Amino acid sequence: AQSVTQLGSHVSVSEGALVLLRCNYSSSVPPYLFWYVQYPNQGLQLLLKYTSAATLVKGINGFEAEFKKSETSFHLTKPSAHMSDAAEYFCAVSGATGGGNKLTFGTGTQLKVEL
Amino acid sequence: DTAVSQTPKYLVTQMGNDKSIKCEQNLGHDTMYWYKQDSKKFLKIMFSYNNKELIINETVPNRFSPKSPDKAHLNLHINSLELGDSAVYFCASSQVASGGADTQYFGPGTRLTVL
Repeated sequence: AQSVTQLGSHVSVSEGALVLLRCNYSSSVPPYLFWYVQYPNQGLQLLLKYTSAATLVKGINGFEAEFKKSETSFHLTKPSAHMSDAAEYFCAVSGATGGGNKLTFGTGTQLKVEL
Repeated sequence: DTAVSQTPKYLVTQMGNDKSIKCEQNLGHDTMYWYKQDSKKFLKIMFSYNNKELIINETVPNRFSPKSPDKAHLNLHINSLELGDSAVYFCASSQVASGGADTQYFGPGTRLTVL
């Protein structure tokens, strides 16, 4: 079974500082990996996804993530945090085999941005 | 235009009641999903339909019955509501049903509170 683990349920950074949200995956087949963001009382919005085309994936709002097979990681970064980045971030994995596009989510990381 | 919409946004009801949540997507996608987000913000898939056919059913109690009248709509009916059903329910859609790489687009969620 595929799974993702997000290290750190809460991350706090200063405005302008580097954002690093960690995600490690477990999969017996090449995974498809996603980062979604959830703002308060809203649905989930795709930030970026890895589909094996390139290991460094750039997303919206200045976020990017690097797929590292050797470390089974897909950490999310942003060079400079903005107050508007405060939200819940979810890493997810989707199967590359049959059975439907089932997204399996991590437990989420709450990002707080302080002045 | 709202891509994936859900009604109602909030639903408060008593234990034992029956309720429905409606979902509509105007993206022309073939596949729709229901996810449940619990009080700890953990997201888990419940069902998936591809062109009105059920393709994923994740060990959900049979009190939950999805219905897809056409590929643009996926409704969720819940019988005999229990306290543990209190959660946020998200509808999502994607272009295809398998392969794993396709982006899922989420609705704004329906917050169900069972008293």
